[in-house]
Amino acid sequence: SQKIEQNSEALNIQEGKTATLTCNYTNYSPAYLQWYRQDPGRGPVFLLLIRENEKEKRKERLKVTFDTTLKQSLFHITASQPADSATYLCALDPNAGKSTFGDGTTLTVKP
Amino acid sequence: KAGVTQTPRYLIKTRGQQVTLSCSPISGHRSVSWYQQTPGQGLQFLFEYFSETQRNKGNFPGRFSGRQFSNSRSEMNVSTLELGDSALYLCASSLEGQDPPGYTFGSGTRLTVV
Repeated sequence: SQKIEQNSEALNIQEGKTATLTCNYTNYSPAYLQWYRQDPGRGPVFLLLIRENEKEKRKERLKVTFDTTLKQSLFHITASQPADSATYLCALDPNAGKSTFGDGTTLTVKP
Repeated sequence: KAGVTQTPRYLIKTRGQQVTLSCSPISGHRSVSWYQQTPGQGLQFLFEYFSETQRNKGNFPGRFSGRQFSNSRSEMNVSTLELGDSALYLCASSLEGQDPPGYTFGSGTRLTVV
């Protein structure tokens, strides 16, 4: 069956460092992969999308890579700030309207 | 423009009761998806509606149902509530043919079954 794993439930880093989150999937051939941010008690907020034919996508301090051979995506936040503390979710969307989400990684950036 | 609006924000129900949750998508968005989020199971897809028709369905029992109206507003209903139905229920809307594709989520309805 299809499965998504986000390697760490929690990640703690120091302000200014680069946070790297991992998303692995099995039994999928996704057309694209999405990353979302979720704050406590709120809905996820869309951050970035990367397509299967793209290796890397950047947006300000965010960078996403997509390796379809390894079936893995890495999500980087450079120069991290306490305001980046949140849960980050990856999602695969092989069928429109039916994304499959990972369980998320909770990032805490300490000042 | 207004985001995705979910009502109510919080709800407490008793086991065995039924509940109806509402979702108003972003204006112009005709696709509405519903998800259940719990600490143990993460985000689980319930169903998706497009132009008043259910287009996709997740693996939930028949107690979970939904519908969409001609103005794209959607409701989901849970009958015969169980304690395990306590969760954050999220809806998300998207624009058909949007590039890149992506969802806009509402803030959710926190349902507590006692």
